[in-house]
Amino acid sequence: QKEVEQNSGPLSVPEGAIASLNCTYSDRGSQSFFWYRQYSGKSPELIMSIYSNGDKEDGRFTAQLNKASQYVSLLIRDSQPSDSATYLCVPGGSYIPTFGRGTSLIVHP
Amino acid sequence: ETGVTQSPTHLIKTRGQQVTLRCSSQSGHNTVSWYQQALGQGPQFIFQYYREEENGRGNFPPRFSGLQFPNYSSELNVNALELDDSALYLCASSLGTSGYPSYNEQFFGPGTRLTVL
Repeated sequence: QKEVEQNSGPLSVPEGAIASLNCTYSDRGSQSFFWYRQYSGKSPELIMSIYSNGDKEDGRFTAQLNKASQYVSLLIRDSQPSDSATYLCVPGGSYIPTFGRGTSLIVHP
Repeated sequence: ETGVTQSPTHLIKTRGQQVTLRCSSQSGHNTVSWYQQALGQGPQFIFQYYREEENGRGNFPPRFSGLQFPNYSSELNVNALELDDSALYLCASSLGTSGYPSYNEQFFGPGTRLTVL
């Protein structure tokens, strides 16, 4: 299994701010990462995929992958209360995925 | 495009009983993975099915078993239910290739909430 580390939070940011969620990993062979958002009592929803070093932007979301430093991050610009959820960072590939508890994000008005 | 569906939504069983949960994969997907998510925890991988064959398994006992059908829908069966089996059971579909386990982009169904009394 591939392991990742995420701060469980909660991370609290004001509405309109940038939320920065981070994830570190130990397996240098990890080539891809996926960010899932999970609202309380609901199932995870895939929001971003990143397969190569650098940044990938999709609307208010930017995923960053730095293979040299072995970290992945998700930036949420102009955070909204509806972004309040748990965010899960998961490595892809052919190994059994490890979903940690994720990082709880709270966006307060 | 049809998303991932699961049935039933909720289920209550007693210890020692058996349960079958069902999942229909997203149109065009050939791989189904099952997860167990206890309250306050992340999803734990149970197993994956690719083209009707088990294609990877997590740390779950043999009383957790599954099937995948030619239309890629899937069942999760749990025998001899224990109280700790109470959880949200999630099914995720994806597009796999070449028979190797594929844990890339996964699309989850709404889940089945199982309560064991």
